[in-house]
Amino acid sequence: EAGVTQFPSHSVIEKGQTVTLRCDPISGHDNLYWYRRVMGKEIKFLLHFVKESKQDESGMPNNRFLAERTGGTYSTLKVQPAELEDSGVYFCASSQVGSLSGSPLHFGNGTRLTVT
Amino acid sequence: AQTVTQSQPEMSVQEAETVTLSCTYDTSESDYYLFWYKQPPSRQMILVIRQEAYKQQNATENRFSVNFQKAAKSFSLKISDSQLGDAAMYFCAYRSAGMGGSQGNLIFGKGTKLSVKP
Repeated sequence: EAGVTQFPSHSVIEKGQTVTLRCDPISGHDNLYWYRRVMGKEIKFLLHFVKESKQDESGMPNNRFLAERTGGTYSTLKVQPAELEDSGVYFCASSQVGSLSGSPLHFGNGTRLTVT
Repeated sequence: AQTVTQSQPEMSVQEAETVTLSCTYDTSESDYYLFWYKQPPSRQMILVIRQEAYKQQNATENRFSVNFQKAAKSFSLKISDSQLGDAAMYFCAYRSAGMGGSQGNLIFGKGTKLSVKP
């Protein structure tokens, strides 16, 4: 079974530019999550999709961040325009539909975003 | 709001020895789950062990075990017979068991970087 895959693995962009991160969850996993870890700080929840619907987007920092999951398969996270404080590692995770709170999340390798 | 604290930014252990990583949390909830995740360098974060708050018995997975003290809100991870492959960042995480809100909202600590010396 293929795991959660994220593209790109690294991205370096200038302040003001746009970047789009992609996440392919494990096949059959309806739950998809985005998390972010800013250097030296905790990994923070950004949002949660159930299929194509946003279940919870309470962690999205501001309206420069836009997440989509068209068709309920892969998801994209766009940052536009990027700011210096957006630098960090963005993780995607997935879990099966109907999974209980105790079910583990399967994480991708993360995308390391550097904004200069 | 729930918080998770890992007070040891870095730890080191000799191969074959035992090491304990500490984690404390704060919550007003009575039902929740606690996790330890491991992230090796440049690799995916994977689940090491999980504990249900309603279970008094400490979870164990091979060389990994936890010391769950619910009253003290403590959830430490013990790694026995440490191996070179155990070197990684270890994250402690909390997740509410309630049906309201997002069931995926893990709350993480800052992580502990574990080095294993040969």
